[in-house]
Amino acid sequence: NAGVMQNPRHLVRRRGQEARLRCSPMKGHSHVYWYRQLPEEGLKFMVYLQKENIIDESGMPKERFSAEFPKEGPSILRIQQVVRGDSAAYFCASSPSQGGSNEQYFGPGTRLTVT
Amino acid sequence: AQKITQTQPGMFVQEKEAVTLDCTYDTSDPSYGLFWYKQPSSGEMIFLIYQGSYDQQNATEGRYSLNFQKARKSANLVISASQLGDSAMYFCAMREGWKGAQKLVFGQGTRLTINP
Repeated sequence: NAGVMQNPRHLVRRRGQEARLRCSPMKGHSHVYWYRQLPEEGLKFMVYLQKENIIDESGMPKERFSAEFPKEGPSILRIQQVVRGDSAAYFCASSPSQGGSNEQYFGPGTRLTVT
Repeated sequence: AQKITQTQPGMFVQEKEAVTLDCTYDTSDPSYGLFWYKQPSSGEMIFLIYQGSYDQQNATEGRYSLNFQKARKSANLVISASQLGDSAMYFCAMREGWKGAQKLVFGQGTRLTINP
């Protein structure tokens, strides 16, 4: 039973380029969450999606960032016109449903470096 | 205001000793969940233990236990008989229970170093 998959694991982009981060949730999970971790900090929530729906995007920067979770395929976090401050680890997590003791299973993360 | 506070940026413990990592939280929601995650130097987030706000007993998972004191709003992680492999960052997190707000809020973390 494969866990949460993220790719790429490492991504280097020059300032102004676009970054696309992919997340495939665990089999049977329909809830996806994206978090960002700056160096030496805890994870910060960005967005929560279900298939074809954005449920909570309260942690997403208003500009340049977008996320989707289509009916088929992985969830995508897209960062347009990257800046140095976007350098961070981006984690995806999935859960089977809401609430209760349902832990969020984390992927290995994508480490984005903006040069 | 901080929702999750971890007051120990770093801790150093001798191998085989027990260690307590502190976590306090702030919420007005009666329904919430508390989680601890371990992040080794390789970077992945490893789930350790979960405590629900209505659970009557403290959660335990092997060498991990959660000292849940609801009135004090604290959820400290206790690791018994520490091992060298326990050296890592440890994060406390909270999920508040109202419908739609399923995000986890993380503390700043505690870096635990186990000395041989």
